[in-house]
Amino acid sequence: DTEVTQTPKHLVMGMTNKKSLKCEQHMGHRAMYWYKQKAKKPPELMFVYSYEKLSINESVPSRFSPECPNSSLLNLHLHALQPEDSALYLCASSQDRNLGMVYEQYFGPGTRLTVT
Amino acid sequence: GENVEQHPSTLSVQEGDSAVIKCTYSDSASNYFPWYKQELGKRPQLIIDIRSNVGEKKDQRIAVTLNKTAKHFSLHITETQPEDSAVYFCAATPFSGGGADGLTFGKGTHLIIQP
Repeated sequence: DTEVTQTPKHLVMGMTNKKSLKCEQHMGHRAMYWYKQKAKKPPELMFVYSYEKLSINESVPSRFSPECPNSSLLNLHLHALQPEDSALYLCASSQDRNLGMVYEQYFGPGTRLTVT
Repeated sequence: GENVEQHPSTLSVQEGDSAVIKCTYSDSASNYFPWYKQELGKRPQLIIDIRSNVGEKKDQRIAVTLNKTAKHFSLHITETQPEDSAVYFCAATPFSGGGADGLTFGKGTHLIIQP
């Protein structure tokens, strides 16, 4: 299996809702990432997990809460979002850096989130 | 942190001609430079990458060059075809000292292949 999968594909939520985005990979990768992509913009890094531990948080507001329950799964818990949080949320995975060697990141199809 | 500049923002070429997209980066510690192609409504797909110990890499009609001294790298597509139309992003991986680092992307180039 060489794919990263994400569910749901689309999500509409109100500002008071709590929802979760899910990401799964079965490539044996030990690094997983969340990116946010607004329309006509590049992906922006949100979080990096390495061996199920949060290693990078790019000053993301606490209404976004990541979780890595095991090496194949990555969740993003959403609570009290704002309309400006509407975007495509992309998950990616890669092998972990080894002796300075950086490995390719493979992206999932994304979850298109609309906050009303 | 790392800053990646990408030019041009839009590139229109005739089918069969070559296309060149250029990027510069700021962090001299960056050592991995991938290029992604993103079609409308789809995920970014890795098309080619280059590491800092290599100056050039080719894969069929696609090539990437890296000049570490000048901190710039370029994507070259030859014999362009209609299916090459997409947004192309360059990226760089800054080194945080940890086990994995995210990508810093350029703003993207919308490549249009005119029939």
